Amino acid sequence: GQQLNQSPQSMFIQEGEDVSMNCTSSSIFNTWLWYKQEPGEGPVLLIALYKAGELTSNGRLTAQFGITRKDSFLNISASIPSDVGIYFCAGSGGSNYKLTFGKGTLLTVNP
Amino acid sequence: KAGVTQTPRYLIKTRGQQVTLSCSPISGHRSVSWYQQTPGQGLQFLFEYFSETQRNKGNFPGRFSGRQFSNSRSEMNVSTLELGDSALYLCASSLRQRGSPTDTQYFGPGTRLTVL
Repeated sequence: GQQLNQSPQSMFIQEGEDVSMNCTSSSIFNTWLWYKQEPGEGPVLLIALYKAGELTSNGRLTAQFGITRKDSFLNISASIPSDVGIYFCAGSGGSNYKLTFGKGTLLTVNP
Repeated sequence: KAGVTQTPRYLIKTRGQQVTLSCSPISGHRSVSWYQQTPGQGLQFLFEYFSETQRNKGNFPGRFSGRQFSNSRSEMNVSTLELGDSALYLCASSLRQRGSPTDTQYFGPGTRLTVL
């Protein structure tokens, strides 16, 4: 089955630093999504990518859909304490709507 | 527009019991997917319902079942609960636009199920 490798597993950074995380897949995806989850809540959609090579921003967040359609990255610039949470990448491929998720990146921001 | 709602938010059951979880999608969304989230396995796809029909299914035993109603609301049922079923159960809704192979899923807050 499809597998997503998300790295790093965790990051501990100082407020104001930039952050980068990425996901790679063993197979091609048609859609890449990035979510953030905080304790006790469901994942909240941050960015959706639908085309290979697409680069999309949402405030301080930027994500790209890799040209090979097997990878994606998420960058957070000038991190702030409220960026703390678990970031998940997810991909879907083919004609079904099933999302395959990475294991998540736990981000801790030190004020 | 209201988001995805799930009830109940928390549930405690004992082994062998059954449980029903409910999900109301975003208004206008016709597809509802269910996911199980555990610390060990992460987020895993259970199944997807669209127009009251199960369209996709993950690798879970038959004890996990679901249904969708004509108003797109969905329920998920787990019978003969096991300790390993303790998890956060998440529901996600999407438009599932005709002719589009991809869509964006929006998640509810989840139901935290604890099996004792």
